[in-house]
Amino acid sequence: GEDVEQSLFLSVREGDSSVINCTYTDSSSTYLYWYKQEPGAGLQLLTYIFSNMDMKQDQRLTVLLNKKDKHLSLRIADTQTGDSAIYFCAERFTSGTYKYIFGTGTRLKVLA
Amino acid sequence: EAQVTQNPRYLITVTGKKLTVTCSQNMNHEYMSWYRQDPGLGLRQIYYSMNVEVTDKGDVPEGYKVSRKEKRNFPLILESPSPNQTSLYFCATASPQGTDTQYFGPGTRLTVL
Repeated sequence: GEDVEQSLFLSVREGDSSVINCTYTDSSSTYLYWYKQEPGAGLQLLTYIFSNMDMKQDQRLTVLLNKKDKHLSLRIADTQTGDSAIYFCAERFTSGTYKYIFGTGTRLKVLA
Repeated sequence: EAQVTQNPRYLITVTGKKLTVTCSQNMNHEYMSWYRQDPGLGLRQIYYSMNVEVTDKGDVPEGYKVSRKEKRNFPLILESPSPNQTSLYFCATASPQGTDTQYFGPGTRLTVL
């Protein structure tokens, strides 16, 4: 079935790199996304990757896409306390519908 | 300023009392959607709309209704709310061109007693 899976928690020390992982189901997805949700707020787009790309870098963010394993990862370099939030991966499900499927979210805690 | 607004932001109600959560956008986006967020379950799509008068079910549509009479508005209607609909609700919009990126409203926290 349609499912996007993420681990629920990640804790890192300030200045280290964080890697948040996601596995998705629809191999025909056109775009895959990473959203950030800060406490008490809605979701904001962090970055996205087109399905014909393997990697995308945007300042401190690096997205890796392994289509064979349907695995998506988000690496945050030099993690700061302001990066503490919930991170959601999402895919736009393209098989006959226009649905978006979100993962369960990974709560990132950055320790000073 | 590009915005997605939701009202109310917080609502406490009782079982069976009909309610409507409004969503409005000023970005002229064709696509609008409602999600609910529950701990450990992430975001689940309730309904979405590709354009005016076009709506489709998401993953968890039971107990909800929507309408899309105008492009900018997409209200979520709970005809007879039940406690299992206690949740955090988000409206989102997207333009189905380019990257299909969704823009989210600030959320509505609903408690059904």
